[in-house]
Amino acid sequence: GENVEQHPSTLSVQEGDSAVIKCTYSDSASNYFPWYKQELGKRPQLIIDIRSNVGEKKDQRIAVTLNKTAKHFSLHITETQPEDSAVYFCAASINFGNEKLTFGTGTRLTIIP
Amino acid sequence: SAVISQKPSRDICQRGTSLTIQCQVDSQVTMMFWYRQQPGQSLTLIATANQGSEATYESGFVIDKFPISRPNLTFSTLTVSNMSPEDSSIYLCSHTREDPQYFGPGTRLLVL
Repeated sequence: GENVEQHPSTLSVQEGDSAVIKCTYSDSASNYFPWYKQELGKRPQLIIDIRSNVGEKKDQRIAVTLNKTAKHFSLHITETQPEDSAVYFCAASINFGNEKLTFGTGTRLTIIP
Repeated sequence: SAVISQKPSRDICQRGTSLTIQCQVDSQVTMMFWYRQQPGQSLTLIATANQGSEATYESGFVIDKFPISRPNLTFSTLTVSNMSPEDSSIYLCSHTREDPQYFGPGTRLLVL
């Protein structure tokens, strides 16, 4: 089955700087890669996703890049703000998300004011 | 996206008992899933709730321990049976019609 690895497990970034979180997946059939943000005591919230037919997607300060050949994808957050502090999970799925998600282990991002 | 709710939001249970968690979506959805999130951990899929048929369980999860129902396209239940302290977790349902997948608020379970 699919295996998703995520790095780093913790990340501290000065406010205003950029943060990058990286994930690798094992199943070449995976074609959908969402990123979720989970604040303490809350449900995971989708922040951005990308399909395998696209190499990059951007939404304001958040971007995701995908390298299908290398089977890895990354989350980039620019101009970080204190409210970006949370745990971030990457995930992978086949059938464009109409199947189960396999999650990475999570990255705890702390923005230092 | 469809609004998804769960109840109870939290519960404290005695070992050996069972708890049924309900998940309701306010419109018909294609797929519904149940995940477990142990304290400080990532999300692990328990099973896919199939409408009108038996759920599809992931490795390490069995129907006797986690029976699931999905009688229609908007509702599903997960029962945690014969609970032990190791079952203390957050249980989340999710749904999708087309990507992406949205999560319910979760049920925080503590087993004493």
